This record gives sequence, structure tokens and C-alpha cells, in this order.
Amino acid sequence: DGGITQSPKYLFRKEGQNVTLSCEQNLNHDAMYWYRQDPGQGLRLIYYSQIVNDFQKGDIAEGYSVSREKKESFPLTVTSAQKNPTAFYLCASSGRGGFQETQYFGPGTRLLVL
Amino acid sequence: AQSVTQLDSQVPVFEEAPVELRCNYSSSVSVYLFWYVQYPNQGLQLLLKYLSGSTLVKGINGFEAEFNKSQTSFHLRKPSVHISDTAEYFCAVSDYGGSQGNLIFGKGTKLSVKP
Repeated sequence: DGGITQSPKYLFRKEGQNVTLSCEQNLNHDAMYWYRQDPGQGLRLIYYSQIVNDFQKGDIAEGYSVSREKKESFPLTVTSAQKNPTAFYLCASSGRGGFQETQYFGPGTRLLVL
Repeated sequence: AQSVTQLDSQVPVFEEAPVELRCNYSSSVSVYLFWYVQYPNQGLQLLLKYLSGSTLVKGINGFEAEFNKSQTSFHLRKPSVHISDTAEYFCAVSDYGGSQGNLIFGKGTKLSVKP
């Protein structure tokens, strides 16, 4: 089955620790995205990538980093500089047509701070 | 900056009743419009989208939405809801005439269908 997988489902971060969220897709999509979801806030774009080895900051990139070494993978690192990381993180992908394309979402990773 | 306003954060409704979830956007340029649905602890799934053409768009699960350019609205409707429609619904907009082209989401409307 084609789709997007995110792991882990739950992730716990200690003070001062960097953690990495995994996102893999087998839809052969060029574009991938990371969103942060907080209760009552909707989704906010962290980073996006239209092609391999290229990515752009979204609206709330501070405290986060990404890489895009392979078409199917777009991991997100939440660094210690992100002071309020507790949220639900969603990864998505879409075809090369840009933001008019339907975005397909993974099941999400919930990050909690210990 | 572009914005999306979902006018109701929560909408309670009885099963088999009609429902309308309201969405207004601020962009003055040409836009693409989307409605996504999120079931608890899951990712989002596309319900429907408007790119061009007919202003009445039909989607999955019996939902439809109407694009109204003069009122900058894209309200979602269903004539008869089911318990299984209980979920959070997000309106989103992207402008292809603007400089950035990001997909901007509203804050969501929680639809609660009661028996």
C-alpha cells in the first residue's frame, strides 16, 4: 500500500535534548512538508521541500532542522533551542504541482517533554 | 498576509440533521481552496478542493462546498450527518498569484454528531 509513515507514534524529550522524527513516503512524491499542530491553533508549517537536497523554512522554523537526502525521506529534528516542543507533528507529501496539489498526511508523532 | 477564518470552533448537531461549517479567507488574489478532515489522533485526509470551474464542489462522504469569490467564502455542507462524521474539519487556502504559495490552514472546527 502506498502512503506515509511516521515514527515513533509517541516521543519523549528530556531537557536540552535533540530528538528526530522520522517521515517516509512511498508515493513517489517530490514535495514533503512538516507541520506542527497545537490544540485550537490549526496546522502551522515548519519546513517544506520541493526536491531532494533543497528545503525552505515555513512560518515557525526556529528551533527545528530538516534534511532531504532521499526523495522518500524527510526527517525533522527538534533541537534544544525549541523551548516549547510539546505538540502533534504531522508530515505530508504531494506531487510536483506545488501547493495546489492535494497533500497526503501521515498519522503523526506526538512529542512530549519530560 | 493571507489568513483563513473558521467561524465556529465547535459545532454540535444531531444525527441526520444538516450541517454547515463556515470558512472565510482573506486573500485578494486567485486561490485554491481545500477542506480536510482529521479523526482523533490521526493525520488529515482531503475531503474536497476547489481549483477552478464550477463553484459547487462535491467531495467524499457526501460533503460539498461552495466557492463564493465575492464573499471570500468556502463553506462546507452536508445534508444529513452520521455519527461517523464526528471529527475536526480544517479549511485551507493557497494562492497561486502570490509570492509564497504556502498552504494556510484555519484553526479547525470540531463537529460533534449526537445520536
